[in-house]
Amino acid sequence: GQNIDQPTEMTATEGAIVQINCTYQTSGFNGLFWYQQHAGEAPTFLSYNVLDGLEEKGRFSSFLSRSKGYSYLLLKELQMKDSASYLCAVDNAGNNRKLIWGLGTSLGVNP
Amino acid sequence: DAGITQSPRYKITETGRQVTLMCHQTWSHSYMFWYRQDLGHGLRLIYYSAAADITDKGEVPDGYVVSRSKTENFPLTLESATRSQTSVYFCASSPVGTSRDTQYFGPGTRLTVL
Repeated sequence: GQNIDQPTEMTATEGAIVQINCTYQTSGFNGLFWYQQHAGEAPTFLSYNVLDGLEEKGRFSSFLSRSKGYSYLLLKELQMKDSASYLCAVDNAGNNRKLIWGLGTSLGVNP
Repeated sequence: DAGITQSPRYKITETGRQVTLMCHQTWSHSYMFWYRQDLGHGLRLIYYSAAADITDKGEVPDGYVVSRSKTENFPLTLESATRSQTSVYFCASSPVGTSRDTQYFGPGTRLTVL
């Protein structure tokens, strides 16, 4: 079957670094996405990894290991506005643009 | 540049009524998707469309109907609304011709069925 696992909730302190993990088991793989979703809003695209390694984009970085079926999103210098849900999604290469979604990790940032 | 819009943003209806949720995108993206999002279930795909006049079922299509006569519009109809269809509905679109299948979401419609 197809499965994506993420922790349900995490908390961290303003200014700190937090790592949100995602493991996946899918029939195919053509890339992994991270989306951010603030409460009451739509998901917005954060990052995309298709090759192994780290992709850095400002305070956010995303890592992928295809052999381990594993990714993480790293958030540095946490700010209160980073309190949101972070969704991991995998393109299983079905040629139909569908993504397989994790349930999301709710991150709370405390002052 | 409106991007992708949904209407209405909020809707309250009664069991058994027909409801249509609208989705409009100005990017000329080929692919469009309808999701529902509920606590504990995450995003679940209802229907998707690869192009005008091409639609296919997703994970939870029962009780829903879609059409796509024009590239920019992808309405979702609940033929006879039930309380279990109370949810937040998101429309998304994705372009072709790129190496990655990034989906871009509309603001959502919060539907309550009484």
